[in-house]
Amino acid sequence: GAVVSQHPSWVICKSGTSVKIECRSLDFQATTMFWYRQFPKQSLMLMATSNEGSKATYEQGVEKDKFLINHASLTLSTLTVTSAHPEDSSFYICSAPGRGAGVQFFGPGTRLTVL
Amino acid sequence: QKEVEQNSGPLSVPEGAIASLNCTYSDRGSQSFFWYRQYSGKSPELIMFIYSNGDKEDGRFTAQLNKASQYVSLLIRDSQPSDSATYLCAGGLIGGSQGNLIFGKGTKLSVKP
Repeated sequence: GAVVSQHPSWVICKSGTSVKIECRSLDFQATTMFWYRQFPKQSLMLMATSNEGSKATYEQGVEKDKFLINHASLTLSTLTVTSAHPEDSSFYICSAPGRGAGVQFFGPGTRLTVL
Repeated sequence: QKEVEQNSGPLSVPEGAIASLNCTYSDRGSQSFFWYRQYSGKSPELIMFIYSNGDKEDGRFTAQLNKASQYVSLLIRDSQPSDSATYLCAGGLIGGSQGNLIFGKGTKLSVKP
């Protein structure tokens, strides 16, 4: 299947700092990528859809000014958590569409811990 | 509100047995269904997807879809300890936004040697 990478795999930061997470499609181009968040023992929740060359589409309840998304190329989308707080600590996962309606390939995820 | 419901488990089966994982969904507009496996601390891995009523088999895995009952299941034959993980069911729309997958909370499966 398609390969999606994320960097970093984990990050620990102080409250108030900003953290950037990269999502790359390694062997294919992705005009669309998705960002999810998963809290412990909870389901994956779609945060936003990243669109190459245009603005991201955010899900209801997700603050676009706090979670900045940039999809500058066909293989890279970035999520920046601005002024992170402890409640932002979570597992952030990106995905890219594969062949077949609705099929998505997930990156390995980034574990964010905000102290 | 669109929901996908799964029994959180844990579901415990002995090695070699059949594990049966179930999922129901509330949105009759959902047309595509996915089963993902997620190991602890890892991201989900696609196992199977199914669009049509009936069964779809892939190796030891069989997905079953019953749209009338809004029910999806995953059978794992000859379960192995390496199958121990959380299995996520997700529903989506064909032709709709590729991001519109609604995930259940997952069922934790434990296969005992």
